[in-house]
This record gives sequence, C-alpha cells and structure tokens, in this order.
Amino acid sequence: SQQGEEDPQALSIQEGENATMNCSYKTSINNLQWYRQNSGRGLVHLILIRSNEREKHSGRLRVTLDTSKKSSSLLITASRAADTASYFCAKDGGSNYKLTFGKGTLLTVNP
Amino acid sequence: DSGVTQTPKHLITATGQRVTLRCSPRSGDLSVYWYQQSLDQGLQFLIQYYNGEERAKGNILERFSAQQFPDLHSELNLSSLELGDSALYFCASSPITGLNTEAFFGQGTRLTVV
Repeated sequence: SQQGEEDPQALSIQEGENATMNCSYKTSINNLQWYRQNSGRGLVHLILIRSNEREKHSGRLRVTLDTSKKSSSLLITASRAADTASYFCAKDGGSNYKLTFGKGTLLTVNP
Repeated sequence: DSGVTQTPKHLITATGQRVTLRCSPRSGDLSVYWYQQSLDQGLQFLIQYYNGEERAKGNILERFSAQQFPDLHSELNLSSLELGDSALYFCASSPITGLNTEAFFGQGTRLTVV
C-alpha cells in the first residue's frame, strides 16, 4: 500500500496564486520529503522535514508537518508557470532506508 | 543534472525477453535505489543496495534482479518480460544509508514491452 497519500490529485491555478498540497501517512516517520517531477523526467528533491520539526522554508516553498495528525503540507507561494509539475511526498521510516512515495499531486499553473 | 546517469533512456522489447538497465550513481554515493513508476501503481520501491550489498527489498518481482558492482554502478535485470512491465524505471543514489538523507534521481529508463 502507498504511504504518503497526496491531496488533491490535481490542482489548477493561475500564475501568482498560492498552491497548497497535502500529504497523509499511516505509520511513524523519521522524516518526510517532497519531490517534484516534470513530465516523464526524474524526480528532484525539494525539501526534507524531520519528524521533530514543524515547519521548514526554502525559497517560495513552505512545508509543515503535524506528526499527531500524520500529515504534511507543501505551500508554493506566488506560483509560476514553471512550477507546473507533479509533486510527491515521500515517507522515510524504519531502519532500512527506503522512500515510500504517494501518487502525487499534478499542479498546473496557468499563465 | 542530478549526477545520476541511467542508460538506456528508452527501450522497446518484446514479451518474454530479458533486458538490463544500468545506473551510475553520483560520485561518492554508496547507496543505490531502484524504483518503478507506472500510471496505475505510481512510484514503487524495488530494491536498495549499499556498497555492494542488498539493504532493502520492496515490491520486486522474482523475474527481476539487481546488483551493485565494486565500482558502485548498479544494474537491474528484468526477465520474461510481460506487457505489464512497461514503465519508467528510476535509479536514485544517496551518500549513505540511514536517516535524513535525500535521494538524487536519474532521468529514468522508459521500458516499453510489446
């Protein structure tokens, strides 16, 4: 089963608007990571938030983590057409390092 | 450019055949991971190697096998191919195995089984 389920599955916004994507997971984590994938290409790491952190920023990205609710959110502020991509959260948990990905949110930013 | 190189980029083969996908990790990275991405299953973790040894196994079919060589490059072997094996296969690498490490992904190999 998938860990790290993103919501919504698809999101369409206008340039300049903010985009918020959510991720839920089922079991405990060491950290949660967000990745971006442009159509058919490799995944690019965006941000990692550790289980003892609640919020993290990187440029126009803001990630929050609520371990009590087993959820995380990714906020992209002042979106650009170039932000159009699929965004995945990935759970890192357990002693054997492996990232477990959700099915992603397809973000479309219209110019 | 992530520094992870995968070859070939595209592969078309017939059912029943065997193929080998190759991955060169970033310089110095000891961990290599293989993922399969398909429309219906999403990104599925297949297997991880660390410094030549298998470290974790995911939803990897018995028809699939992998290894990591002394120079740290890795190969994923897919045999008795079926139509359902058509997918994007990604390799990723990281410096270590363990906590709080990001993974660097290659551009993938698109496998089409006809």
